[in-house]
Amino acid sequence: QVQLLESGPGLVKPSETLALTCTVSGGSISDNSHYWAWIRQPPGKGLEWIGNVFHSGKTFYNTSLKSRVSIAVDMSRNQFSLKIMSVTATDTAVYYCARQPSSFWFDPWGQGTPVTVSS
Amino acid sequence: DIQMTQSPSSLSASVGDRVTITCRASQGIDNYLAWYQQKPGKAPKLLIYAASTLQSGVPSRFSGSGSGTDFTLTISSLQPEDVATYYCQKYTSVSYIFGQGTKLEIK
Repeated sequence: QVQLLESGPGLVKPSETLALTCTVSGGSISDNSHYWAWIRQPPGKGLEWIGNVFHSGKTFYNTSLKSRVSIAVDMSRNQFSLKIMSVTATDTAVYYCARQPSSFWFDPWGQGTPVTVSS
Repeated sequence: DIQMTQSPSSLSASVGDRVTITCRASQGIDNYLAWYQQKPGKAPKLLIYAASTLQSGVPSRFSGSGSGTDFTLTISSLQPEDVATYYCQKYTSVSYIFGQGTKLEIK
């Protein structure tokens, strides 16, 4: 059974770079049937897709974040990562990673990791 | 961009009630729609994909229907453990948009 676990700093200063890692267990990130995605949820608000990556390194990003976001895969560690540059308070959210069958729905999800942007 | 609008935004019902949540797409999306359940402090959980296919392990009281622009999630007999926020999500054209959510409570 595939499980995902997010990790990274819980506090980031404004204008700096947010960096998170998702570790996949119980399955291979090089699986040809799945993409790997990041989604976030600001406090008390709804869900926003950030972007996704295939094991080849091919990426797709939300157009509203595209200029600041980078997602990469590390097959040797069975991990994928998220970087958001030049963060502001509006990037404060719980960040989730998830598997995406054939770039469709999201299942399963990681437990989520809260990130606060504050000085 | 296609917008996804859920209604109602919140709902209160009694145990045993039949509950229906609606999701409307601003343009047709065939059946490229999923439903999720999110309990407080937890990650969302996939309930239904392809508009009407029940994810393995999800109780059969949950069902989905619709195609094109109008979709529904139905709980046939509400249980206390169904208290949660429910989200629809469309997946077309490498664009994944969620509805704003419907918060379901027990009366």
